[in-house]
Amino acid sequence: NAGVTQTPKFRVLKTGQSMTLLCAQDMNHEYMYWYRQDPGMGLRLIHYSVGEGTTAKGEVPDGYNVSRLKKQNFLLGLESAAPSQTSVYFCASDGRGYYGYTFGSGTRLTVV
Amino acid sequence: DAKTTQPNSMESNEEEPVHLPCNHSTISGTDYIHWYRQLPSQGPEYVIHGLTSNVNNRMASLAIAEDRKSSTLILHRATLRDAAVYYCIRPGTYKYIFGTGTRLKVLA
Repeated sequence: NAGVTQTPKFRVLKTGQSMTLLCAQDMNHEYMYWYRQDPGMGLRLIHYSVGEGTTAKGEVPDGYNVSRLKKQNFLLGLESAAPSQTSVYFCASDGRGYYGYTFGSGTRLTVV
Repeated sequence: DAKTTQPNSMESNEEEPVHLPCNHSTISGTDYIHWYRQLPSQGPEYVIHGLTSNVNNRMASLAIAEDRKSSTLILHRATLRDAAVYYCIRPGTYKYIFGTGTRLKVLA
């Protein structure tokens, strides 16, 4: 089925460990986004990309890096995880069509 | 990229209409207003969007004030499945900035 796929769905990290979250979309969308959502809060934009090979900072970029080497994939990296990065991470893509953003189902990350 | 303003929470009885308000006083003439909702433990999903006139789709209706400084999302008959957080968004350049939205509770 067409859509946005995030892997993994769940992960527990120890403080200082690194990891990469993968977002893949099969809709040929140019724009892709990474958001985080803390309990009881709205979504905050981490980084985004307006096309292959491009990335830009959002509201809360510190502690994260991203890459968009292929149009269909947008990677979010944590180089040295901290407990403050415990959150649910959502990826989204946008083809600038009628139905706006398509979101993935989220990655629940816990840093202990 | 200015955020919009919404009430933190609202309640509705099942089968009754719900009017979810949003203020976007700094909106420009070409900015669309988008609404998304987030069901429990899911990512947000698109609901509806509009520019100037009222809009309808199978999920909801969107009423936009004549001065465009506010809008209202209308669920004509709330069901228990409509319990969610509803976000009103004024898209910025290339990106959406989400506020905290309105948590809708539907009472059986």
